[in-house]
Amino acid sequence: EAGVAQSPRYKIIEKRQSVAFWCNPISGHATLYWYQQILGQGPKLLIQFQNNGVVDDSQLPKDRFSAERLKGVDSTLKIQPAKLEDSAVYLCASSFRDRVPYFGPGTRLTVT
Amino acid sequence: EDQVTQSPEALRLQEGESSSLNCSYTVSGLRGLFWYRQDPGKGPEFLFTLYSAGEEKEKERLKATLTKKESFLHITAPKPEDSATYLCAVQAASGGSYIPTFGRGTSLIVHP
Repeated sequence: EAGVAQSPRYKIIEKRQSVAFWCNPISGHATLYWYQQILGQGPKLLIQFQNNGVVDDSQLPKDRFSAERLKGVDSTLKIQPAKLEDSAVYLCASSFRDRVPYFGPGTRLTVT
Repeated sequence: EDQVTQSPEALRLQEGESSSLNCSYTVSGLRGLFWYRQDPGKGPEFLFTLYSAGEEKEKERLKATLTKKESFLHITAPKPEDSATYLCAVQAASGGSYIPTFGRGTSLIVHP
């Protein structure tokens, strides 16, 4: 069974630029999560989708972050404009309904 | 607000020296507690799910236990390849859905 796919794996941008990350969940998983993990910390939930509806986005900085999940499968997370403090690993995870989240490899973002 | 606290933040062991990692939580409506292993540069890898107090799960040198307020990850006779960050997450009910919240993790180093 294929795991969660993410791209790109690494991205370096300058502050005030925009960036987008892509995630393809495990087939059949209706729930999709985006987490932000700053070095030395645990993952922080940014947004959770159930199919193509948002379940929770209370910690998503909506002035600069946006996410969508088209047709309830793939998802894209965008940052515009980026700040230095957005440097982190962005993890995508998926689960069957509300069961165990399985994670992708993550995208390491460096904002200079 | 749901909280998950892991201790210690870092742990250094000699090969064969058994120890335990702690995950304490304060949540309402706990549905499940997850343990993950995270290697540098990779996404978290699922280890165990625990659903009710008194439950135990084992995998090779790892054993996870759960009480009403905390979970322990016991490592018996660890090997250098057990070196990683161990993350705990609790899944609690929130507005009809279940939101996973992570702790900051315990960084484990096992010396040969």
